[in-house]
Amino acid sequence: RKEVEQDPGPFNVPEGATVAFNCTYSNSASQSFFWYRQDCRKEPKLLMSVYSSGNEDGRFTAQLNRASQYISLLIRDSKLSDSATYLCVVQANTGFQKLVFGTGTRLLVSP
Amino acid sequence: SAVISQKPSRDICQRGTSLTIQCQVDSQVTMMFWYRQQPGQSLTLIATANQGSEATYESGFVIDKFPISRPNLTFSTLTVSNMSPEDSSIYLCSVVGIGTYEQYFGPGTRLTVT
Repeated sequence: RKEVEQDPGPFNVPEGATVAFNCTYSNSASQSFFWYRQDCRKEPKLLMSVYSSGNEDGRFTAQLNRASQYISLLIRDSKLSDSATYLCVVQANTGFQKLVFGTGTRLLVSP
Repeated sequence: SAVISQKPSRDICQRGTSLTIQCQVDSQVTMMFWYRQQPGQSLTLIATANQGSEATYESGFVIDKFPISRPNLTFSTLTVSNMSPEDSSIYLCSVVGIGTYEQYFGPGTRLTVT
């Protein structure tokens, strides 16, 4: 079983739609969780950290469910510019800050 | 967040040669890492670059193949040695700033081995 699993997609949605991605992780001792965005042929960029209480940043909402070991990302009012690959990332419970990356979920927002 | 640069941005190399990739940060950081992203794949951690001591390598990566230096808090190099076509990949450095736990990535080095 992979440490971090995501549906690779692609998710094809029209502009203005709401779309949600889920991610599951296998290490119950994982401490920190993140969503990164990666555009084609670019480096990953931190989108948001995921807190236990859930957090929102504009049109983006992240949720963490430790009991079920899954993380979600909700994007409201999708824009064309949201088209990218979204990487679910988990920080292992080790002394240094090793990140484990999911394979990513590809989002395509169309006019 | 810190501004991270990598050199070269891309290169095409012949098999059997070596390439050294540089990562420079505009401010002091606590941690520096090197990742590889093979075509169509997600990121895999190669090693943690430790300042003033030997890097900590992940399973499947060895110092002879990927020697790493980190002489100070803002600079690191990764060498890809004795390259083969299987080493064709994007190599990215990442950093963790002081007082934070979030990682930020450099723009990457796109390596093609022929």
